[in-house]
Amino acid sequence: AQSVAQPEDQVNVAEGNPLTVKCTYSVSGNPYLFWYVQYPNRGLQFLLKYITGDNLVKGSYGFEAEFNKSQTSFHLKKPSALVSDSALYFCAVREDRTNAGKSTFGDGTTLTVKP
Amino acid sequence: KAGVTQTPRYLIKTRGQQVTLSCSPISGHRSVSWYQQTPGQGLQFLFEYFSETQRNKGNFPGRFSGRQFSNSRSEMNVSTLELGDSALYLCASSLTTGRMSTEAFFGQGTRLTVV
Repeated sequence: AQSVAQPEDQVNVAEGNPLTVKCTYSVSGNPYLFWYVQYPNRGLQFLLKYITGDNLVKGSYGFEAEFNKSQTSFHLKKPSALVSDSALYFCAVREDRTNAGKSTFGDGTTLTVKP
Repeated sequence: KAGVTQTPRYLIKTRGQQVTLSCSPISGHRSVSWYQQTPGQGLQFLFEYFSETQRNKGNFPGRFSGRQFSNSRSEMNVSTLELGDSALYLCASSLTTGRMSTEAFFGQGTRLTVV
């Protein structure tokens, strides 16, 4: 069975500092990994994904994530945080590449960026 | 290209009533998934439809049901509403080819309040 964990409920950073939101996963086969962001009372917005290839994936709004197979991690990063990055972030994984409905989402991490 | 559209955005219902929520996926997307989001439980998968067939199902009681039409629009129905059904209901669509399913594209959600 697949699973995903976001070990931190809350991450606080100062504006301009680098940020990291952690995600670890467990799958039997090859993982397909995703990050989404959610602003209050809105749906989730896709940020980036890892399917195959380069371990460093670049996405929207300056975010990137590093796939680490040995540590089964897919941490979300940004070199310089903005106040507007404050939101709820979800990591998701699936191992069935043809079936989006088999995605498992983490519990979410609330990122707060303070001016 | 229009995104995923969910209607209505807000609903207030009384315990014991039933409710139907609607989701129009992105044109060409045949996979539609439904999620329930609550502060305490996070993002919970309800079910997924693909080409009018329920392909995956989460762990929800039979009061929660859905269907998909030939134009890929989907509806979910909740009967005999309970206070605990108050939540943000999210719909997501994805494009599935023979080899791969894309990331999920989410709608804005329907905020259901049961009183």
